[in-house]
Amino acid sequence: DGGITQSPKYLFRKEGQNVTLSCEQNLNHDAMYWYRQDPGQGLRLIYYSQIVNDFQKGDIAEGYSVSREKKESFPLTVTSAQKNPTAFYLCASSIGGFGDSPLHFGNGTRLTVT
Amino acid sequence: GENVEQHPSTLSVQEGDSAVIKCTYSDSASNYFPWYKQELGKGPQLIIDIRSNVGEKKDQRIAVTLNKTAKHFSLHITETQPEDSAVYFCAAFIYGGSQGNLIFGKGTKLSVKP
Repeated sequence: DGGITQSPKYLFRKEGQNVTLSCEQNLNHDAMYWYRQDPGQGLRLIYYSQIVNDFQKGDIAEGYSVSREKKESFPLTVTSAQKNPTAFYLCASSIGGFGDSPLHFGNGTRLTVT
Repeated sequence: GENVEQHPSTLSVQEGDSAVIKCTYSDSASNYFPWYKQELGKGPQLIIDIRSNVGEKKDQRIAVTLNKTAKHFSLHITETQPEDSAVYFCAAFIYGGSQGNLIFGKGTKLSVKP
C-alpha cells in the first residue's frame, strides 16, 4: 500500500541529545512537510521541501534541521537547541504545493525528552 | 499574522444528530480550505476540501460551506455515528512568501454518544 511511514512511533531521549525522526513515502510525491502538534495548539509547520535537495523553514524552525537527499525521505533532527522538544511530530507529503493538493499525513512520532 | 479560528473546541452530540464546526480566516485571498479528521494516535486524514470558486460541497454525510464575504467556512456532519468521534481540523491556504502556507485551526474534539 502507498503511504507515509514514520518511525519510531514512540521515542524517548535525554535532554541535551540530538534525535532524528524518520519519514519515508512511496507515493512519489514531490513535496514533504514536518509539523509539530501540541495539545490545543493545532498543527504548526516546522520545515517543508518542494523538491530534492531544497527545503524551507516553516513557522517554528528554530532548534530543528532537515535534509532531503532522496525524494522518498525527509528526516527531521531535533537538536539540543530546541527548548521544548516534547511533542507529537507529523510528517506529510503532497503532489503539489500547499494550495494545490491535499496533504497526506503519516501516523506520527511521539517524542518525549526528559 | 494570518490565522484561522475554529469553534467550538469540543462538541458532544447524540448519535443521529448533526454536528457543525465553524472556522474563520483572515486572508481574503485564501482560496483553498481542507478539513482533516484525526483519530487517536493517528495522523490527520483529509475528509473534504473546497476551493473559493464554489460555495458548497457534499460527500455523503459530510458537507462544507464557504462564505467568502464573511471569510468563514463550516463543516456539517449529518446522521452522526460513534465512528465520527475524533478531532477535526480546518485549514486555509494563506498567500505569502515563495510558496504560501496552510494554516490550521486548533481543532474540535467531536464526541458522538450512542
